[in-house]
Amino acid sequence: AQSVTQLGSHVSVSEGALVLLRCNYSSSVPPYLFWYVQYPNQGLQLLLKYTSAATLVKGINGFEAEFKKSETSFHLTKPSAHMSDAAEYFCAVTHTGGFKTIFGAGTRLFVKA
Amino acid sequence: DVKVTQSSRYLVKRTGEKVFLECVQDMDHENMFWYRQDPGLGLRLIYFSYDVKMKEKGDIPEGYSVSREKKERFSLILESASTNQTSMYLCASSTSGTGDYGYTFGSGTRLTVV
Repeated sequence: AQSVTQLGSHVSVSEGALVLLRCNYSSSVPPYLFWYVQYPNQGLQLLLKYTSAATLVKGINGFEAEFKKSETSFHLTKPSAHMSDAAEYFCAVTHTGGFKTIFGAGTRLFVKA
Repeated sequence: DVKVTQSSRYLVKRTGEKVFLECVQDMDHENMFWYRQDPGLGLRLIYFSYDVKMKEKGDIPEGYSVSREKKERFSLILESASTNQTSMYLCASSTSGTGDYGYTFGSGTRLTVV
């Protein structure tokens, strides 16, 4: 069975600081991994995805994530936080050949001026 | 620009009412999904459909039903609304294949049952 764990329901950083949002997954078969972002009162938007090509994946708005099979992790990072990055972020996993996606509980990112 | 459109952003309904939430996608996607989102619980799958007239229960189908008469439209029905169904409802769609395309989400419907 697949599952996704996001460590920390809330993360607070200062503007300009590194953003690190943690995600660990479990999957019995090779997974596809995703990060989504949700701004207030909006739906989710795909930020980036890992689909077994390069392990370091670049997404929109300067975010990137690294797939580490040995650690079963897919952490999301951004070198320098901006106020506009304040949102909720969801990690998700789909196994190859499937179409049902399992979402993590989400991490709300706060950015302080 | 491809879109998933949910018919209402905000709805207020009374307990016991039958409620219809509509979702339309213009991407010719085979798969469509209904989730509810509650603080601290993330997204929970209510129902999904992988083809016209096909439907499958998700993790929390009780109190809900769905209809998919056309490929582009997936409706969520609350047969008799209750206050514990107050939530944000999100519709999503995806293409068939190997699962690596991700979902496209609508903007959500915030439903309040009073």
